[in-house]
Amino acid sequence: QVQLVESGGGVVQPGRSLRLSCAASGFTFSSYGMHWVRQAPGKGLEWVAVVLYDGKKEYYADSVKGRFTISRDNSKDTLYLQMNSLRAADTAVYYCARLQNFYASGNYAEAFDLWGQGTMVTVSS
Amino acid sequence: EIVLTQSPDTLSLSPGARATLSCRASEIVSRNYLAWYQQKPGQSPRLLIHGASTRATGVPDRFSGSGSGTDFLLTISRLEPEDFAVYYCQQYGNSVFTFGPGTKVDFK
Repeated sequence: QVQLVESGGGVVQPGRSLRLSCAASGFTFSSYGMHWVRQAPGKGLEWVAVVLYDGKKEYYADSVKGRFTISRDNSKDTLYLQMNSLRAADTAVYYCARLQNFYASGNYAEAFDLWGQGTMVTVSS
Repeated sequence: EIVLTQSPDTLSLSPGARATLSCRASEIVSRNYLAWYQQKPGQSPRLLIHGASTRATGVPDRFSGSGSGTDFLLTISRLEPEDFAVYYCQQYGNSVFTFGPGTKVDFK
């Protein structure tokens, strides 16, 4: 079925690295821009990064720019997030999400229509 | 970066009541790129509204979205027990996506 499944979370010390993966199935992965969104414990949603459908362009939130790298392998239907120089403030559930384009009644819209179950990253010494 | 502010922080209502949630942007937001999500404890967010006013597939018609410019509303006409959750607005502009801080709808 149509789904996203994240993996790779865990407990890591400050300053260390971690790589998250998101396996997609049930849809044409290579047709969609893919995103990472995180949620610190008890807090709201924070957009982290996007990689365009062909992997040729990425954009990041200021809070992770220069430390995190988003990438994708369309041959494996998999999205990645390489997280370096991790900080306590990076502790969160990390979700991958699909950005869908909607066309209805001559109107165009974009929104996150498919989310994974999330993977927890804890940065602690 | 466009900042989204949601009000109130918490809305305490009874089943059957009408809920009106506000999302205000620091700059004009294109309606095309304004969405609303519902999140229940321990669950991933669920898309409710895209394009400011179009319900996503499978979303009951008691949910409606409206607004333009910098002011947007999510209205739940008659709260059902399963509607008690946190609601987030989200916008896209200049290659950056932002979420509002959320409004929690809980039982009065």
